[in-house]
Amino acid sequence: DTAVSQTPKYLVTQMGNDKSIKCEQNLGHDTMYWYKQDSKKFLKIMFSYNNKELIINETVPNRFSPKSPDKAHLNLHINSLELGDSAVYFCASSQDWARQGAAEAFFGQGTRLTVV
Amino acid sequence: DAKTTQPPSMDCAEGRAANLPCNHSTISGNEYVYWYRQIHSQGPQYIIHGLKNNETNEMASLIITEDRKSSTLILPHATLRDTAVYYCIVSHPNAGNNRKLIWGLGTSLAVNP
Repeated sequence: DTAVSQTPKYLVTQMGNDKSIKCEQNLGHDTMYWYKQDSKKFLKIMFSYNNKELIINETVPNRFSPKSPDKAHLNLHINSLELGDSAVYFCASSQDWARQGAAEAFFGQGTRLTVV
Repeated sequence: DAKTTQPPSMDCAEGRAANLPCNHSTISGNEYVYWYRQIHSQGPQYIIHGLKNNETNEMASLIITEDRKSSTLILPHATLRDTAVYYCIVSHPNAGNNRKLIWGLGTSLAVNP
């Protein structure tokens, strides 16, 4: 059983399109994340949700909109895709940081987005 | 900006211990040290974390200096499958005591036969 699964694994699309990446975790975790890994391999947090509530929202263009229908799912919708959005996007989940002070994060396998 | 400094690359012979250093001289009292690794084309994988004391699990050992300004991840018997980028991360408190991880570029460890 995959702990954190995201779909699709690969996504090739044209500039200007709107696309979504889905993420699901079956670990019972309270907190989910979206990360972006660029071509230089920097991994940067974009959003974090705790029990469906947005708790971290980094400086990300508002073309990116996360949606959490329940605490097991955190989807990422991207409007008007640009060439610079090409990257690998990782979903992750963990227990609640605030209560525990530290928690390991489990990552999905990533979605490689290519905008042409 | 990442709050840690790691060598960009290291080599290790298969079967030997791999000792990966990390400097985090600006760490504050309530910040944890985490280690993750990323095998090529996969998502990052948690290895271990610690606050003050040394820690050990089935994957690795974490040695934190007494002043907490540096740490070392030890893979006791490296295998070819341990070839990966290893990230040392200090958790960073965010608003409302929610924490986030600030990732650097890590150390690319090559385990050689």
